[in-house]
Amino acid sequence: DTEVTQTPKHLVMGMTNKKSLKCEQHMGHRAMYWYKQKAKKPPELMFVYSYEKLSINESVPSRFSPECPNSSLLNLHLHALQPEDSALYLCASSQDLEDQPQHFGDGTRLSIL
Amino acid sequence: GENVEQHPSTLSVQEGDSAVIKCTYSDSASNYFPWYKQELGKRPQLIIDIRSNVGEKKDQRIAVTLNKTAKHFSLHITETQPEDSAVYFCARINFGNEKLTFGTGTRLTIIP
Repeated sequence: DTEVTQTPKHLVMGMTNKKSLKCEQHMGHRAMYWYKQKAKKPPELMFVYSYEKLSINESVPSRFSPECPNSSLLNLHLHALQPEDSALYLCASSQDLEDQPQHFGDGTRLSIL
Repeated sequence: GENVEQHPSTLSVQEGDSAVIKCTYSDSASNYFPWYKQELGKRPQLIIDIRSNVGEKKDQRIAVTLNKTAKHFSLHITETQPEDSAVYFCARINFGNEKLTFGTGTRLTIIP
């Protein structure tokens, strides 16, 4: 019954591939987030969008490129990833930056060959 | 700083007993404290939260307490059930810098 939908659920890609992760919410939330989670670790913030503008970039390598086409969608474009980028990528949303909580999607499990 | 320390890292509790997880933060400007439950292979799910103007909040078997002076907050689960087994993360945010910082997690196992 998650209200934040992420696709695909699983993704296997080579280091030279280009792929995109997608996140969608229809709760009218104006803040959206990308997190990376390694096994047995807490989620680690990557990017924050507020009203479709990039608000925070946590010094993420440029091989990760976020995009917010509209208030309901958030993409993460992937290119030339490294094996250490294999992880669970979680999207979250909140009403806005100061109106929490954040609601998470089920994530995309990414494996880099 | 924005560090959050969480203890214990693992906790085993007999079914029906209570479980307590504690978190300590360093940023005195922190003003919102959620707790998330994450089952294996699933998303973090909000189970309870508290704001800095409140000392305690309860929702059925789950309660959270906040001590702003000591900068720590705790999750209390009473009458534990097998389905409470999961990893629990505390977190904090200061709405001024907008970044939610998580604790390191507690793996809770309920022994039937």
